[in-house]
Amino acid sequence: GAGVSQSPSNKVTEKGKDVELRCDPISGHTALYWYRQSLGQGLEFLIYFQGNSAPDKSGLPSDRFSAERTGGSVSTLTIQRTQQEDSAVYLCASSLWDVEAFFGQGTRLTVV
Amino acid sequence: GENVEQHPSTLSVQEGDSAVIKCTYSDSASNYFPWYKQELGKRPQLIIDIRSNVGEKKDQRIAVTLNKTAKHFSLHITETQPEDSAVYFCASRREDSSYKLIFGSGTRLLVRP
Repeated sequence: GAGVSQSPSNKVTEKGKDVELRCDPISGHTALYWYRQSLGQGLEFLIYFQGNSAPDKSGLPSDRFSAERTGGSVSTLTIQRTQQEDSAVYLCASSLWDVEAFFGQGTRLTVV
Repeated sequence: GENVEQHPSTLSVQEGDSAVIKCTYSDSASNYFPWYKQELGKRPQLIIDIRSNVGEKKDQRIAVTLNKTAKHFSLHITETQPEDSAVYFCASRREDSSYKLIFGSGTRLLVRP
C-alpha cells in the first residue's frame, strides 16, 4: 500500500481479554515503531524494530505487552489480560534508515 | 536513557504573531531532529526536520534552529494562521546502530483569529 496501515481502527474489549493490533508498514521500510498515545497526551515509545536486529523493547510498560515483526514486514502488538489503563490510541510508524518516519492512522483501544 | 523535553505544553497566540516551541535532548549522539504536527483526530505528520550538520532550516513560514552544543532545538512559526492550531511534537534520533525515534511531550498551539 501507499502508506502505513493499521488494523483494526477501533477495538473495544473487556477487561482481562487479550488483544492483537496489526501494523503493515510501507514496503521496504526497515524500521518500525510502536507508540501509545493516551487522550490528550504525548507519544509514548513502546518498541522499535530495525531490520534483523534484536528489537528495542525498553518502552514496553509491563510483561503483558509484547510485539513481533514477521519477515521484516508486518508487526503485531499483543496486550494480554487488558486493563482499563491500557485504553489509548496505539500508533505504528515506519521509516527507512535515515529519513522521515510515517505514521499509521492508529488503533483506538477501549478496555471496558 | 534518551529523553526529549519540550516546552511549553500549551501556547496561545494571536493570528499573525509568531510562535516558538523549544526542545532539549539528552543523547549527545542524536543527529536527526524532526518536528511533527498532529491535528485533532489525525495521525502525526512531518512538517520539517534538521540534521546536526545544519544550524537552521526554513520552509516558508516554518523554521527550525539547532544548537548542538547546548542540545537545544526550536520550531519557529511566523505569521501564524488558525490552521496552524494543532499539537506539535519534537523528536530526536541517533543515526548509528540505533535509529530509535524519541518524542517530546507535545505542545498544543492555539491560534486565535
